[in-house]
Amino acid sequence: DVKVTQSSRYLVKRTGEKVFLECVQDMDHENMFWYRQDPGLGLRLIYFSYDVKMKEKGDIPEGYSVSREKKERFSLILESASTNQTSMYLCASSTPLVAGTYNEQFFGPGTRLTVL
Amino acid sequence: SQQGEEDPQALSIQEGENATMNCSYKTSINNLQWYRQNSGRGLVHLILIRSNEREKHSGRLRVTLDTSKKSSSLLITASRAADTASYFCATERIFGNEKLTFGTGTRLTIIP
Repeated sequence: DVKVTQSSRYLVKRTGEKVFLECVQDMDHENMFWYRQDPGLGLRLIYFSYDVKMKEKGDIPEGYSVSREKKERFSLILESASTNQTSMYLCASSTPLVAGTYNEQFFGPGTRLTVL
Repeated sequence: SQQGEEDPQALSIQEGENATMNCSYKTSINNLQWYRQNSGRGLVHLILIRSNEREKHSGRLRVTLDTSKKSSSLLITASRAADTASYFCATERIFGNEKLTFGTGTRLTIIP
């Protein structure tokens, strides 16, 4: 059974703190993604990675960085948390497209981050 | 701007009725996918339709795609209380490098 796990379901941090959100997948997927979800805005892509040590900016990368040192793990880092980063953070993974396949994404349960 | 926008934003129906949700998008796509999200949880993939397909079925789900109108619909037949969730469409744009762009979702409530 495929599985994507995230390190915390709920997290409360203070403004200015450095925050690490961890995501681990056990499906040997090359692609991994970080989204944030806010009411009325849907899911917005923060960063994604096609392979170990590779990363690309999504639609809203400002204030975030990522790290992918191992294939199964993709970390999202908030260098200095701010109140406008209070949100639900979702991690996902997928396999790369090859002939006959498609890019269904598998999601973790989400981390609800509150920055005070 | 949103690539995918669902309509309606919220829908309440009686158990046993059919539920229809619509998705519009703006640019040419490789495929369109529908996902479900139960309250406060991650998203679960439901069904994918490729740009050269017009209709697809999976159990009680039926998806249509009209690329000329840049729109898709998701029909859930014989709804159940367990179908209560938010539903999102996601599009993979041509030359989108396997990224998906999600809409804002339709909140479906099934009344027992």
